[in-house]
Amino acid sequence: DSGVTQTPKHLITATGQRVTLRCSPRSGDLSVYWYQQSLDQGLQFLIQYYNGEERAKGNILERFSAQQFPDLHSELNLSSLELGDSALYFCASSPRGGSWETQYFGPGTRLLVL
Amino acid sequence: TQLLEQSPQFLSIQEGENLTVYCNSSSVFSSLQWYRQEPGEGPVLLVTVVTGGEVKKLKRLTFQFGDARKDSSLHITAAQPGDTGLYLCAGSNFGNEKLTFGTGTRLTIIP
Repeated sequence: DSGVTQTPKHLITATGQRVTLRCSPRSGDLSVYWYQQSLDQGLQFLIQYYNGEERAKGNILERFSAQQFPDLHSELNLSSLELGDSALYFCASSPRGGSWETQYFGPGTRLLVL
Repeated sequence: TQLLEQSPQFLSIQEGENLTVYCNSSSVFSSLQWYRQEPGEGPVLLVTVVTGGEVKKLKRLTFQFGDARKDSSLHITAAQPGDTGLYLCAGSNFGNEKLTFGTGTRLTIIP
């Protein structure tokens, strides 16, 4: 158990819909990262937050957005969903968000868009 | 764009055999990490290497960072069924918190 929690574990929805994925970091960690893992693209970095502020951005689509709240939990919002958005979405956390730090991954949310 | 190619993509071997997995890039990385991911779980960090030529051992696993810091290898001695999983390398550069993950090697150890 990494200490990072993600909900829900599974999500099935239809094209065009909007969903919200939630992540609670390890106790004391200030930085949260979001990743997408699909069969054809592998594990892709989406976005990073540190203490409520966006710190780094990766291959995140404009239909996707995220935020980190004062209690440090984070939400990833996916809108106008397409079939290709079906994937595993992972959240990870680290103490201060430095590139040298270990990132602890949550168990993931499996999203299926039908 | 920095890319990390892993080979082989799939590997299935008998228990007790040795194996090596490779992670290659045309770009230099400040550090390189290896993760193992099991079905239904997130990746778990195995090791971080930061110095060119560095070798780290973790029980039966030996990790090496290339001299030019563009490639890395993972060698497993006397593989066991518990080694089964998806092995991912990931590179990062100081000042850039983004991790670039490799394409992955799916390892199956047959009892």
